[in-house]
Amino acid sequence: KAGVTQTPRYLIKTRGQQVTLSCSPISGHRSVSWYQQTPGQGLQFLFEYFSETQRNKGNFPGRFSGRQFSNSRSEMNVSTLELGDSALYLCASSLGVGGASTDTQYFGPGTRLTVL
Amino acid sequence: AQSVTQLDSQVPVFEEAPVELRCNYSSSVSVYLFWYVQYPNQGLQLLLKYLSGSTLVKGINGFEAEFNKSQTSFHLRKPSVHISDTAEYFCAVSRFYGGATNKLIFGTGTLLAVQP
Repeated sequence: KAGVTQTPRYLIKTRGQQVTLSCSPISGHRSVSWYQQTPGQGLQFLFEYFSETQRNKGNFPGRFSGRQFSNSRSEMNVSTLELGDSALYLCASSLGVGGASTDTQYFGPGTRLTVL
Repeated sequence: AQSVTQLDSQVPVFEEAPVELRCNYSSSVSVYLFWYVQYPNQGLQLLLKYLSGSTLVKGINGFEAEFNKSQTSFHLRKPSVHISDTAEYFCAVSRFYGGATNKLIFGTGTLLAVQP
């Protein structure tokens, strides 16, 4: 079974631009979560989607948004990029049914975003 | 609110020696506990998780962890490490939200550096 895939793997943008990152979950998984990983702040939860609905959101500004499609694929968008948005963005998928807190989350390799 | 503390940012150890990576958590409600490993340029992989039952949890690659409720700890151990265990290890908690979400709160990570 194929794992979680994220595209692109690397991205370079300049301040003020916007970016869209994509995540394809494991087949059959309905929940997708996004995390930001930086050396200074570590791993921080961005948001979680289940069946096209945002189920939870982290403490990030409104420039960060996401969505999930009917095939469970997810995208996240960052508008008006700032230098501090440079990070590894990780996507994780899980079955998403039953006890969600106990779900095993499977992480993709991440998208490395560099903002110049 | 929940928080996770990994006391050691880096743990150097010789090959075939035992190792313990420490994790303490803080929460006013019941939580589930996880250990993830991240190899260079990769996403996170679940090593093991504690949901309930026996406080000693065995995971992949010979790792195990013990949940200690009184000390609010979930330390990770391996009796004999290999060079290939060199990676960053993250402790995480998820709160029981009644199935509503699987948001993970991560510690800052511990770099396990295995030396020959």
